[in-house]
Amino acid sequence: DAEITQSPRHKITETGRQVTLACHQTWNHNNMFWYRQDLGHGLRLIHYSYGVQDTNKGEVSDGYSVSRSNTEDLPLTLESAASSQTSVYFCASSAGPDTQYFGPGTRLTVL
Amino acid sequence: AQSVSQHNHHVILSEAASLELGCNYSYGGTVNLFWYVQYPGQHLQLLLKYFSGDPLVKGIKGFEAEFIKSKFSFNLRKPSVQWSDTAEYFCAVKDTDKLIFGTGTRLQVFP
Repeated sequence: DAEITQSPRHKITETGRQVTLACHQTWNHNNMFWYRQDLGHGLRLIHYSYGVQDTNKGEVSDGYSVSRSNTEDLPLTLESAASSQTSVYFCASSAGPDTQYFGPGTRLTVL
Repeated sequence: AQSVSQHNHHVILSEAASLELGCNYSYGGTVNLFWYVQYPGQHLQLLLKYFSGDPLVKGIKGFEAEFIKSKFSFNLRKPSVQWSDTAEYFCAVKDTDKLIFGTGTRLQVFP
């Protein structure tokens, strides 16, 4: 069955370190998205991609970057982790203007 | 840009009670609307969606939602909740190929 996976599931890091969260989907979807989930804010879009070599900034992109070198993967990088980036991160993918399928999430703690 | 409001942040019900969760979006015209559910410790799953046609949409697990264009609303309903419906519920509206999420409603159902 097609799926979307995220790794690691839990990560603790220190302020100032670079962190990369992986997202891998086997749906063969063109569109991929990164969200962060925080209490009182719901899900907010960080970055998204409509295909290989395409990346776009979302609502809360400062301090984050993504790259899309193939269809299956959209890694999210925190260039210099800050405590404000402690959150749960969800990756999602979709074939187009239809249902997005979500990964299991990565819980990131920045100390 | 589109925005979504969920006015019920936390709802507590007893089993067999009826449920209605409010969702309002900001812009008129053609809209695509979604309800997602996140069970404790799990990723988001699609409950139902509205693209066009019958404004009363049936979803999984006995949920339904009614699109009322004149009220910019897409409220989620279930006639009789179960303990297993305890979860967080997110309304979302499509904005190009992105989803704009509400802040979520936490539902607790007690036996």
